[in-house]
Amino acid sequence: GQQVMQIPQYQHVQEGEDFTTYCNSSTTLSNIQWYKQRPGGHPVFLIQLVKSGEVKKQKRLTFQFGEAKKNSSLHITATQTTDVGTYFCAGPGGNTGNQFYFGTGTSLTVIP
Amino acid sequence: DSGVTQTPKHLITATGQRVTLRCSPRSGDLSVYWYQQSLDQGLQFLIQYYNGEERAKGNILERFSAQQFPDLHSELNLSSLELGDSALYFCASSETGAYTEAFFGQGTRLTVV
Repeated sequence: GQQVMQIPQYQHVQEGEDFTTYCNSSTTLSNIQWYKQRPGGHPVFLIQLVKSGEVKKQKRLTFQFGEAKKNSSLHITATQTTDVGTYFCAGPGGNTGNQFYFGTGTSLTVIP
Repeated sequence: DSGVTQTPKHLITATGQRVTLRCSPRSGDLSVYWYQQSLDQGLQFLIQYYNGEERAKGNILERFSAQQFPDLHSELNLSSLELGDSALYFCASSETGAYTEAFFGQGTRLTVV
C-alpha cells in the first residue's frame, strides 16, 4: 500500500536557525498538502502543491514539490517559537484517490 | 475555529463497551474523514464519506463503523473497545471529495480503561 514517510521524525533547533522536513511517497502523487499541528491541537492546513517542481512561499515557509511528484519539502527560515509543532505532509491515494494518507510527521522544537 | 464540531471532547469508558463519536462538518462541506491519532503517532486514515455515501476505507477495524446522515453529520461507532483503542479521533471535512484542503475538528480523546 501507499506509504508516506517523513524525515526527520524529531528536530530541535535554536531560535533563528533554519529547519527542513522532507516527505517521500512510494507512489507518484497528484498533489500534496502540508498541515501543522500545534501541541494539544488539531491539524491545520498550510498549503497544497499540484505541479511538478512547484515552489510556493508563505512568509518564512517555503514548500517544494519534486519533479517526479514523489517527494516534497518544507523549509522554515529563521525559526521562531511560534513554529513549534508537528508538520505533516499528506497525499491522496487508495482505490479512489480520495484517501488522504498523512506522513509520519516531523516534530519541531524551537529552543529560545 | 475550523467550523468542524466534534462531540464529546473527552470520553472515558471500559473495555468491551461501545461508544459513538459525532462530527458536524463545516457548512457546505460534503466530505467527512475520520482519523485516529495514537500517542506520539501520526494520523491513521479510517474512512471517508461523501454526500452520505462511503467513498474510501482505510485502516478501519471491523469493530468500528461509521455513517454520514442526510444532514451530512457523521458518526463513528467503536465497539468491543480494547485498551489499544485509546487515542485521539479526528474528524475532518472538505468541500468536495478530492484534492481539496481538509478542515479538522478539535478531536475526541477516547480513553479505554
